[in-house]
Amino acid sequence: DADVTQTPRNRITKTGKRIMLECSQTKGHDRMYWYRQDPGLGLRLIYYSFDVKDINKGEISDGYSVSRQAQAKFSLSLESAIPNQTALYFCATSNSQAPNEKLFFGSGTQLSVL
Amino acid sequence: GESVGLHLPTLSVQEGDNSIINCAYSNSASDYFIWYKQESGKGPQFIIDIRSNMDKRQGQRVTVLLNKTVKHLSLQIAATQPGDSAVYFCAETYNFNKFYFGSGTKLNVKP
Repeated sequence: DADVTQTPRNRITKTGKRIMLECSQTKGHDRMYWYRQDPGLGLRLIYYSFDVKDINKGEISDGYSVSRQAQAKFSLSLESAIPNQTALYFCATSNSQAPNEKLFFGSGTQLSVL
Repeated sequence: GESVGLHLPTLSVQEGDNSIINCAYSNSASDYFIWYKQESGKGPQFIIDIRSNMDKRQGQRVTVLLNKTVKHLSLQIAATQPGDSAVYFCAETYNFNKFYFGSGTKLNVKP
């Protein structure tokens, strides 16, 4: 969904480096999410935010942190990257006021930690 | 170390045939379900949804069936086309709190 933009699209980094993945949206949605996808596995929730001042841990938050800088921006940080954080990362948004709330995804960031 | 992922279940169908993709969900309290399609190099895209007070919902060439007794969801694609080749995920949620995703099924459409 072009309304949900993730940067960078690809990133290669080394173990121990700090990495930030950024997500911005023009959909005007209040809720934002970060998911991780590993080969052959479903999407697993890392962190989510229902509003600018709201941050919640998901299933696999260890080793990650997030910042909701504005309603439209939600960034994911890896403070000290490790190889098993190599994965495809997706940002998603949703509108809590919609009758049937759906997730809208960005195109993903492929992260490789060497 | 290197992580090894699971192999995705794969469904191969002939172009023009109907496809049925199945999903078992985990939470009997889940009240809303979505099917997503993920093409290579892209994020998941919404296909069709269904609320728990329904058993069936139809879209354009797609139908979702919900069996709450056995916690089973299926996606039927009529007259499958090459452009339908992708990985399909089901997602469930209770009260739109958080969404939980299945591991996905890869659909291969043979011309």
